[in-house]
Amino acid sequence: KAGVTQTPRYLIKTRGQQVTLSCSPISGHRSVSWYQQTPGQGLQFLFEYFSETQRNKGNFPGRFSGRQFSNSRSEMNVSTLELGDSALYLCASSLTSGERGETQYFGPGTRLLVL
Amino acid sequence: GQSLEQPSEVTAVEGAIVQINCTYQTSGFYGLSWYQQHDGGAPTFLSYNALDGLEETGRFSSFLSRSDSYGYLLLQELQMKDSASYFCAGAYSGGYQKVTFGTGTKLQVIP
Repeated sequence: KAGVTQTPRYLIKTRGQQVTLSCSPISGHRSVSWYQQTPGQGLQFLFEYFSETQRNKGNFPGRFSGRQFSNSRSEMNVSTLELGDSALYLCASSLTSGERGETQYFGPGTRLLVL
Repeated sequence: GQSLEQPSEVTAVEGAIVQINCTYQTSGFYGLSWYQQHDGGAPTFLSYNALDGLEETGRFSSFLSRSDSYGYLLLQELQMKDSASYFCAGAYSGGYQKVTFGTGTKLQVIP
């Protein structure tokens, strides 16, 4: 089975722009979570989608949004980019909905640099 | 909110045993996972504990004590390739899969 894929892998944007990142989960996985990773803050949970519904959201401003499509692929969008949004954005997929602590499979991430 | 604390760095000798600790907040706590991340790579799952006790997977073992709000990852027969960052991650109720990652521990294995 192919692993989790994320596109693009690298991205450079300027302040005020917006960006859309894409994540394709492992085939058959219905849950997709997004994380932001920075040296100072570590791995922080952004949101989680299951069957096209956002089920959980972390403590991020409304500039961060996402969605999930019927094929489980997910996108996240960041509007009005700020310098502090520079980070590695990771998505992770897991098989089902209800099993807490279920293994998450991470993609390689999208490294975003905001200038 | 939930937070998980880990030592920031640990250094150990090749062939030795190292323990990486993680303390967590108990409110809504369901279970503890461990992930490994090499520089430039994605986190990969190592183990999960929902019950007290030790879970063993090859050279890696993970332990949980709910009464102490504490867990650890034990790495035996350390190899150079074990040099990486290790994250504990707490699963919390209040949502289907709300996971909070610890601060991460950078392990350096030296010859």
